[in-house]
Order: sequence, then C-alpha cells, then structure tokens
Amino acid sequence: KAGVTQTPRYLIKTRGQQVTLSCSPISGHRSVSWYQQTPGQGLQFLFEYFSETQRNKGNFPGRFSGRQFSNSRSEMNVSTLELGDSALYLCASTSSGYNEQFFGPGTRLTVL
Amino acid sequence: SQQGEEDPQALSIQEGENATMNCSYKTSINNLQWYRQNSGRGLVHLILIRSNEREKHSGRLRVTLDTSKKSSSLLITASRAADTASYFCATPLKTSYDKVIFGPGTSLSVIP
Repeated sequence: KAGVTQTPRYLIKTRGQQVTLSCSPISGHRSVSWYQQTPGQGLQFLFEYFSETQRNKGNFPGRFSGRQFSNSRSEMNVSTLELGDSALYLCASTSSGYNEQFFGPGTRLTVL
Repeated sequence: SQQGEEDPQALSIQEGENATMNCSYKTSINNLQWYRQNSGRGLVHLILIRSNEREKHSGRLRVTLDTSKKSSSLLITASRAADTASYFCATPLKTSYDKVIFGPGTSLSVIP
C-alpha cells in the first residue's frame, strides 16, 4: 500500500496570505488527523476527520480549518497567515480508533 | 499542559549502550504509543501497548506500562547511530479516541 502523502512538501508565504495543504491517506483509512509541529510548542493536535466529518478539534483559532472529501483525502486551510504559523504540518491516517497512526512526511510552511 | 510528558528531554549515549526514555500521562488511556521522528520528517510508529498489557517487545525495543503510576518507558537496547532521533509517546484520549496527544519528546543522540 502507498503511504500517506502530503503536498506540497515546502511552502513559503507572506503574512496575511492564505494557504491550503493536502493530505492523501492510506487506501482504506477513513480517519485523518492534522498536527502542527514547532520547536516551541511541539506536536499539537489540530483536528481529526472521519467520513467527511470533523470529530475532534484542538485549541487553534478559527483561521485554521479543514475538510475531508468522500475519497478520504483531506485539506487544511490557514487564512490570514501569521509569522507564528511557520511550522511543520503533519497529517496522519488510521484505520480506526485506538490504532497506530501513519504519518505523512509533512509540509514545511514558512511565513515571511 | 501536555497529556504526555517524556523524560529526559535530551539523551546522549555511546553506540552499543542502552537508552531509556520515560513518559507520564494524566488521564485514563486505552493504549499508549511510541513514535520516532528523524530530523524534520514525519513520525514513524514504533510500538503500541494496550492498557491491559504491562510489557511489550519489538526487536531491540522494550516498552513497559504502569497504569497505576500513569507512566511508560521505552528501552532501546544495543543502540546504533541510526537510532538518533526524537522519540514521542502518544496517548489517544479515552473520551475521544481519535484525538491523540503527543508529549514534547526525548531527543536521543547516539554517538558512534
């Protein structure tokens, strides 16, 4: 099976812009979670989608949003980018609750 | 604060030595997972231990779980330079099983 893929791998944006990141889970996985990783805050949970529905949400402002499509692919969007949004954004998929997560390589976002 | 907290934050050992990392968590869990992350890349699942298990082995990895103390340890035996990475414990929240909380991680350096 192909692993979790994320596009793009690297992105440079300026403050105030918006960005969309994409994640394709492992075939058959219906749950997709997103995480933000920064040196200061570590790995923080953003949100989780299952069957096109957001089931869980972390403590992030409304500028961070996401969605999941019928083929389980997911996107996350960050609007009005701030310098502090510079981070590695990781997506993970799992077959069902309580199981191991499979992570993509991440998208490195730099906000200038 | 974090659900999981690893200890120590950083560890430096010689190749061939054993490395032990500890993780403490706060709430009830169904399982606890350990992940490895090589510099700036996606996370790789190492091992999952369920709440009714006390010890689990996988190759050179040994994980223990003490639910009464809400703690877990990861032992890497006969370490290699390739084991240099950050190690995270992760706990799916029992109340929201696909919301996984990661600790801040232990940075392991194995010196050849």
